[in-house]
Amino acid sequence: EAEVAQSPRYKITEKSQAVAFWCDPISGHATLYWYRQILGQGPELLVQFQDESVVDDSQLPKDRFSAERLKGVDSTLKIQPAELGDSAMYLCASSSTGVETQYFGPGTRLLVL
Amino acid sequence: GQNIDQPTEMTATEGAIVQINCTYQTSGFNGLFWYQQHAGEAPTFLSYNVLDGLEEKGRFSSFLSRSKGYSYLLLKELQMKDSASYLCAVRAAGAGSYQLTFGKGTKLSVIP
Repeated sequence: EAEVAQSPRYKITEKSQAVAFWCDPISGHATLYWYRQILGQGPELLVQFQDESVVDDSQLPKDRFSAERLKGVDSTLKIQPAELGDSAMYLCASSSTGVETQYFGPGTRLLVL
Repeated sequence: GQNIDQPTEMTATEGAIVQINCTYQTSGFNGLFWYQQHAGEAPTFLSYNVLDGLEEKGRFSSFLSRSKGYSYLLLKELQMKDSASYLCAVRAAGAGSYQLTFGKGTKLSVIP
């Protein structure tokens, strides 16, 4: 069964450092999403891609966060510099189109010290 | 914007039936999803409703009333492995496409 791949699974960093997360969606899925989930909360959308184009990044803190999907397949989410409040689970999801069911990867758990 | 409410926690007994409710307020509604999330893991898709009525899938059923902005997830014959958080998510028209907005989740504890 096809799955969304993410790495690393865990990341510990110090504040002011840069971190990057990678996501490989299910093959053939044109739409890719990055979510942030704080403990005890539901996932919140950070950015949505359709192929290589950003569809929505209205909730992405652009002063420190960036995301790219250069060839319309895998994607990278970067934080620079990391802050204590960025500690959370970062989830990647994909869907075949923007109206189909989203399937989530295992997530990257980030701890900023 | 969207507003989604679901109970924070519920406890039920193994073998029993439990109903998790979700109410929502949104514009541009285009479907409601339920996901299961075990602690420290990613959400996994359970069910999808876009029309009023009941969708049944094995031990899990989901109901939707669009006019009332209401859904529930029904879990039958509870098993210990059903202990998890259950996320209600509403899909609606967003900035450039349809977006999912998640509730805070209901943490279900199944006890012997």
